[in-house]
Amino acid sequence: DVKVTQSSRYLVKRTGEKVFLECVQDMDHENMFWYRQDPGLGLRLIYFSYDVKMKEKGDIPEGYSVSREKKERFSLILESASTNQTSMYLCASSRGGVETQYFGPGTRLLVL
Amino acid sequence: GNSVTQMEGPVTLSEEAFLTINCTYTATGYPSLFWYVQYPGEGLQLLLKATKADDKGSNKGFEATYRKETTSFHLEKGSVQVSDSAVYFCALPLGGSWGKLQFGAGTQVVVTP
Repeated sequence: DVKVTQSSRYLVKRTGEKVFLECVQDMDHENMFWYRQDPGLGLRLIYFSYDVKMKEKGDIPEGYSVSREKKERFSLILESASTNQTSMYLCASSRGGVETQYFGPGTRLLVL
Repeated sequence: GNSVTQMEGPVTLSEEAFLTINCTYTATGYPSLFWYVQYPGEGLQLLLKATKADDKGSNKGFEATYRKETTSFHLEKGSVQVSDSAVYFCALPLGGSWGKLQFGAGTQVVVTP
C-alpha cells in the first residue's frame, strides 16, 4: 500500500514565524502535490513537483515556497506565517503518467 | 479546461437510506473519473474510479457509472451506515501533463442512527 506521511497532524505557530511542513511518500512516486483545504473553498493546489528539484506553481502559490531535494520528500515552506494561512494542508503523491493521487492525513495549522 | 460540478451539501440521511451524490463534468475527450472520500480529521482516500465510458467503479458498497451521454458520474450507495458520514469529492484530470486533478467542492454526508 502507498503510504504518504506528514510530519505533524496539528501545528500552532505565531505570525511571522518560518514554518516547514514535511511530506514523505514511500512508493517512489514522481509527482507530489501540496493543497490547502478551507471550508467552502474545497481543495486548492499550492504547488506541485514532477521530479526532484522540479516544481510548478499551482493556483495559490503566494506566500509559500517548496523544496524537493529527494524524490520521496516534498516540503512546503511558509516564509513568514500569517493568520490567513491558518488551514488544513494536504500532501499527495502519484506515479508519473498515472492520475490517481494518494493523500497524507493532513496537517492542521493554526497561525496566531 | 476540464471541470467538475457536484451537488452541494450537507446531505443528511438516516441509516439504511439510499444515497446519491450528483457529479457532472466538462472535459475534452473521455478522461478517467474519480470519487474520493474524506473521513473526519483525515486526508482524502480514493473511493473508486472509472477509466472509460460505461465503466462502473465500485468499492465498499458504493458505485458510480461513467455516463458520457449525460457527462455524469453520480455516486450511489443502497444502504448507508453511520460510518459513511464523510465528505465526498468528485475529480477528473485537469489535462496536460503531471497528473493534476480538478476536484469538486465536496459534498458532506451525515448519516444519523
